[in-house]
Amino acid sequence: QVTLTESGPVLVKPTETLTLTCTVSGFSVRNPSMGVSWIRQPPGRALEWLAHIFPNDVKSYQTSLETRLTISKDTSRSQVVLTLTNMDPADTATYYCARINIFDDFWSAYFLDYWGQGALVTVSS
Amino acid sequence: DIQLTQSPSSLSASIGDRVTISCRASQVISTYLNWYQQKSGKAPKVLIYAASTLHSGVPSRFSGSGSGTDFTLTISSLQPEDIATYYCQQSYGIPRTFGQGTKVEIK
Repeated sequence: QVTLTESGPVLVKPTETLTLTCTVSGFSVRNPSMGVSWIRQPPGRALEWLAHIFPNDVKSYQTSLETRLTISKDTSRSQVVLTLTNMDPADTATYYCARINIFDDFWSAYFLDYWGQGALVTVSS
Repeated sequence: DIQLTQSPSSLSASIGDRVTISCRASQVISTYLNWYQQKSGKAPKVLIYAASTLHSGVPSRFSGSGSGTDFTLTISSLQPEDIATYYCQQSYGIPRTFGQGTKVEIK
């Protein structure tokens, strides 16, 4: 059974750094056809893709957040970590991690087939 | 960045109606387009990937079509459990953008 579980702080202060952990089970982050992506959703608003990491450690980021975002993985712990620096109230959102399922190897095209339950992070002083 | 524009932003339909949602990309993305359903308070679930491939376990009343820049999600006969917000997502360029969503309600 595939599961992803997000963990991290519920409340952060402006200018602080957010660190979120996605712990996966039921699949390996070493699987060449899979990876993990982070997505967020401000209250009442649309989904926003943030970043992904593939098993070969290739990483990509949301253009507008690239200078603030870092994604990494700890294969031994089956975890993928997202950090977002210099938090602002506009970063208040539910943060999801999701499993990448690649359907086109040449283009690394994928869909997100399993999602965590989401972690609501509020930015406030 | 590739922009995805969904229309309409919301719709109201009766049970049994055929519902169509459009997603237009700002550039050609071949068939690298996915559709997700998100029910209130829940994580999204994939319905369709690669524009027209029905994900395992998804009811056959859902279908997807299109290529290039214009894509459509169709619900052939709306059911009460289909009340949700639907999002398209492109898997062609970086960043992997989502549309703004289409909220489906029962009339």
